[in-house]
Amino acid sequence: DGGITQSPKYLFRKEGQNVTLSCEQNLNHDAMYWYRQDPGQGLRLIYYSQIVNDFQKGDIAEGYSVSREKKESFPLTVTSAQKNPTAFYLCASRMTGGTDTQYFGPGTRLTVL
Amino acid sequence: DQQVKQNSPSLSVQEGRISILNCDYTNSMFDYFLWYKKYPAEGPTFLISISSIKDKNEDGRFTVFLNKSAKHLSLHIVPSQPGDSAVYFCAASAHLNTGNQFYFGTGTSLTVIP
Repeated sequence: DGGITQSPKYLFRKEGQNVTLSCEQNLNHDAMYWYRQDPGQGLRLIYYSQIVNDFQKGDIAEGYSVSREKKESFPLTVTSAQKNPTAFYLCASRMTGGTDTQYFGPGTRLTVL
Repeated sequence: DQQVKQNSPSLSVQEGRISILNCDYTNSMFDYFLWYKKYPAEGPTFLISISSIKDKNEDGRFTVFLNKSAKHLSLHIVPSQPGDSAVYFCAASAHLNTGNQFYFGTGTSLTVIP
């Protein structure tokens, strides 16, 4: 089945540790996105990538880093510099050209203790 | 500053009646609008979209209306069903030199009462 996978579903880390969230898609989509959702807020864009080896900062990129070495993969690293990392993280992808519809993965709930 | 706003955090509707969810935006550069449905601890599911060149798009029980002059769009669900109970997010897309960016509202929690 084609889709977007994020692993793990729940992740716990100690404060001060870096953690990497996985996002993989087999939809052959060119563009990939990372969002963060907090209670009572909409989805806020962290980073996005239109093509391999290229990515752009979103509205809340501070304390995060990404890489796009393969078309299928767009991992997000939450660094110790991120002041409030506990949140629900969502990855999305989109085919460039055609409609602008994004499709989302199931999300990863990160809790920093 | 929030460029896409959903001013109603929650909405309750009786089963079988119409649900109307509203969304306002501020950026006239937005040219594509989407509605997503989301359950807790899951990713949003795409529902329906509309291009800025249209004022209405229909898909089964779901209809999206776009009023560009008012910078307003709405999602109509009719008839509403208990399975429609979820959080609905409005999103808008802008084409930038660096690629498409999407802006989301804060969501409206819909409860359909049996």
